[in-house]
Amino acid sequence: GAGVSQTPSNKVTEKGKYVELRCDPISGHTALYWYRQSLGQGPEFLIYFQGTGAADDSGLPNDRFFAVRPEGSVSTLKIQRTERGDSAVYLCASSLTGPSGANVLTFGAGSRLTVL
Amino acid sequence: AQKVTQAQTEISVVEKEDVTLDCVYETRDTTYYLFWYKQPPSGELVFLIRRNSFDEQNEISGRYSWNFQKSTSSFNFTITASQVVDSAVYFCALSSLSGSRLTFGEGTQLTVNP
Repeated sequence: GAGVSQTPSNKVTEKGKYVELRCDPISGHTALYWYRQSLGQGPEFLIYFQGTGAADDSGLPNDRFFAVRPEGSVSTLKIQRTERGDSAVYLCASSLTGPSGANVLTFGAGSRLTVL
Repeated sequence: AQKVTQAQTEISVVEKEDVTLDCVYETRDTTYYLFWYKQPPSGELVFLIRRNSFDEQNEISGRYSWNFQKSTSSFNFTITASQVVDSAVYFCALSSLSGSRLTFGEGTQLTVNP
């Protein structure tokens, strides 16, 4: 696609529920990233994929968070047993190549998760 | 550990004023990259500029200019003759040479009033 597409744009769920957030990167981009942005804060790194594998998942806050990219394109961020503190905007980004600190990331509009 | 500090949480100016957004960073790397991103109300982060640590030349792009000073670990962003459409949150970010992650500052909310 022309840009990074994220669905849903908004998700409201109850504490303890399971949530999946989807990211469709720019076609041909091999690197895919997930960031989390809490209200009034800058984005925080969660995980980075190069192709199908998670090359760096050190930003995932705990084992309730998991992400996959089975075919090296679309990625799904999965959150189990959601907590109110998980409420944030989850941003996906992609870049043409990786890994390199010089990569320019193209971001999606984000998925806003609200846990009641 | 890397850190980016944007001390100005909010700035409000009147259209046509010049405005400078400050960014100070910390890193132990000798080679690194600095970025500025703009986040309009739609939420999508938009890339503005990337600099590497070996290139301290200031850069100008239209009404935008950037001042990179390694001696003070600063990478400030100036908008000349601001416009209402410049209203957004602006983020400064840092990456190491081989890094897979960006470290963002907390952002500066810029409001340009007509």
